[in-house]
Amino acid sequence: AIRITQSPSSLSASTGDRVTITCRASQGISSYLAWYQQKPGKAPKLLIYAASTLQSGVPSRFSGSGSGTDFTLTISCLQSEDFATYYCQQYYSYPMYTFGQGTKLEIK
Amino acid sequence: EVQLVESGGGLVQPGGSLRLSCAASGFTFSSYEMNWVRQAPGKGLEWVSYISSSGSTIYYADSVKGRFTISRDNAKNSLYLQMNSLRAEDTAVYYCARTHSSGWYFDYWGQGTLVTVSS
Repeated sequence: AIRITQSPSSLSASTGDRVTITCRASQGISSYLAWYQQKPGKAPKLLIYAASTLQSGVPSRFSGSGSGTDFTLTISCLQSEDFATYYCQQYYSYPMYTFGQGTKLEIK
Repeated sequence: EVQLVESGGGLVQPGGSLRLSCAASGFTFSSYEMNWVRQAPGKGLEWVSYISSSGSTIYYADSVKGRFTISRDNAKNSLYLQMNSLRAEDTAVYYCARTHSSGWYFDYWGQGTLVTVSS
């Protein structure tokens, strides 16, 4: 099974900061990676798919990059509504999926 | 508007059974593959099961294989998860999630239903 290692597990930042979250796959997954945002008590929301394609309606301050085994989610100029938990998901092994462990983004 | 609404969660004793439902609306349910994903309290997301649009192809995570059964009724626009031999570690919020039509990621999620396995 493909394992995904996401880091950091938590991150403190301030409004206006730029932050980066990383996911590393245990084997090459091409660009078959998605990023989700989850707020407390809510369902995950799709942000990015195919490693770097922004889902419709998602602000352009979110961006994704990477291919193969290493991927990043970058949020430029953090807004208050961005404080949440973020997960990556590999779908290279579709229809069996693996998520990263999550990164909780907190206000400093 | 795409909507996925889960129901059927609750408190069940270890070894017991529960059937979750996910009612779909706002899209042609029979054309989409569907999944169940769970999240234990304070923990991350875990994919549980997949079913193809016709119901002919099914996959499970090793953690639930042999105990859980996914199914769907396209005439009723509904997805199900029959959970048997429940364990404490099955305690989680269970989400149904739609697979995107031309990609393999999940584009819509329900709000989730909580399953608590405890004596």
